[in-house]
Amino acid sequence: NAGVMQNPRHLVRRRGQEARLRCSPMKGHSHVYWYRQLPEEGLKFMVYLQKENIIDESGMPKERFSAEFPKEGPSILRIQQVVRGDSAAYFCASSPMGALADTQYFGPGTRLTVL
Amino acid sequence: QKEVEQDPGPLSVPEGAIVSLNCTYSNSAFQYFMWYRQYSRKGPELLMYTYSSGNKEDGRFTAQVDKSSKYISLFIRDSQPSDSATYLCAMELETSGSRLTFGEGTQLTVNP
Repeated sequence: NAGVMQNPRHLVRRRGQEARLRCSPMKGHSHVYWYRQLPEEGLKFMVYLQKENIIDESGMPKERFSAEFPKEGPSILRIQQVVRGDSAAYFCASSPMGALADTQYFGPGTRLTVL
Repeated sequence: QKEVEQDPGPLSVPEGAIVSLNCTYSNSAFQYFMWYRQYSRKGPELLMYTYSSGNKEDGRFTAQVDKSSKYISLFIRDSQPSDSATYLCAMELETSGSRLTFGEGTQLTVNP
């Protein structure tokens, strides 16, 4: 049973380019969460999605960042016009029910470097 | 002020030592408490999960919660070099819809 899959594992972009990060949840999981881990900081919640719905995007920067979880295919975190401050590890987690205290299983992360 | 405070370390101990990792929090609405372990360049993995004040034991690991003091701890007995990792505490509000709030993480090295 494959765990949460993220790709690419490493992504290098120049300032102003777009970054697309993909997350495939564990089989049977329909709830996806994105977190960002800046250097020397803990994980910060960004967004919580169910299939075709954004449930909580209170941690997402207001501009340049968007997320989706379509009916078919992986969840996508999109960063437009990247800046150096976007360099971080982005982790996706999934859970089966999205209920309170539901265990979140994390993927290996995508490490974004903005030159 | 951060909602969750955790000493980042680094913490270095000899093999076999008892390790104590701690977090404090400011929001009394946090109801669920977790400890995650993160190896270098990997994603976090859940170690322990607790709800009520008191102790919960799982093998060499004991999680302790004191809601009155807003303080949680993770104890590791008979520490092994394979325990070397970053340990993250995480908390969840009763109304958060599964959003986790993490501490900064404590980097632990267990020396053989």
